Amino acid sequence: DADVTQTPRNRITKTGKRIMLECSQTKGHDRMYWYRQDPGLGLRLIYYSFDVKDINKGEISDGYSVSRQAQAKFSLSLESAIPNQTALYFCATRASGSTDTQYFGPGTRLTVL
Amino acid sequence: GQQLNQSPQSMFIQEGEDVSMNCTSSSIFNTWLWYKQEPGEGPVLLIALYKAGELTSNGRLTAQFGITRKDSFLNISASIPSDVGIYFCAGPGGGSNYKLTFGKGTLLTVNP
Repeated sequence: DADVTQTPRNRITKTGKRIMLECSQTKGHDRMYWYRQDPGLGLRLIYYSFDVKDINKGEISDGYSVSRQAQAKFSLSLESAIPNQTALYFCATRASGSTDTQYFGPGTRLTVL
Repeated sequence: GQQLNQSPQSMFIQEGEDVSMNCTSSSIFNTWLWYKQEPGEGPVLLIALYKAGELTSNGRLTAQFGITRKDSFLNISASIPSDVGIYFCAGPGGGSNYKLTFGKGTLLTVNP
């Protein structure tokens, strides 16, 4: 079984709809991240969380919100989706400790019409 | 903020050829990471570097942590079709060890 899972894997929605993307991990890591990937732009950080009570904005948090329901679950919401939020979304986890290595989920492809 | 310049943006090579790509930073990094992303998947860590001058191998892949701590290199020897994907460099960004800054990626295509 995968250590980091994301649901759904693909989603098509309409402008103005509320969307939630979910991430779960079995790695026991306390740190979780949400990234967005656009062609030619690499990965950009949306939000990150160090534990259930800690949420931090990344470089492109406008239009997004997150919820850390438990150590193993980190959800990303688009309150009112717009077409330029069409992208690949990745969740990642990292253990607190001496390395910076992050482990990524398989991604969610979101299309906003 | 931190920026990573990764080059080349894309490469088209024949099976069996060697590949080199690099990443430069506007500031010093203490860690360099190289990830590979295959179509429809998330990035997977290939090699992690923690010390200036360090040279680390993972099968046919070799990565080096530049002496200036502002650059890193990834080499793939004797490429095969399954090497196809996007290769990203990454390092701790924004002065923090908790966030990663990613390069924009090198798209590698291998012709059989």
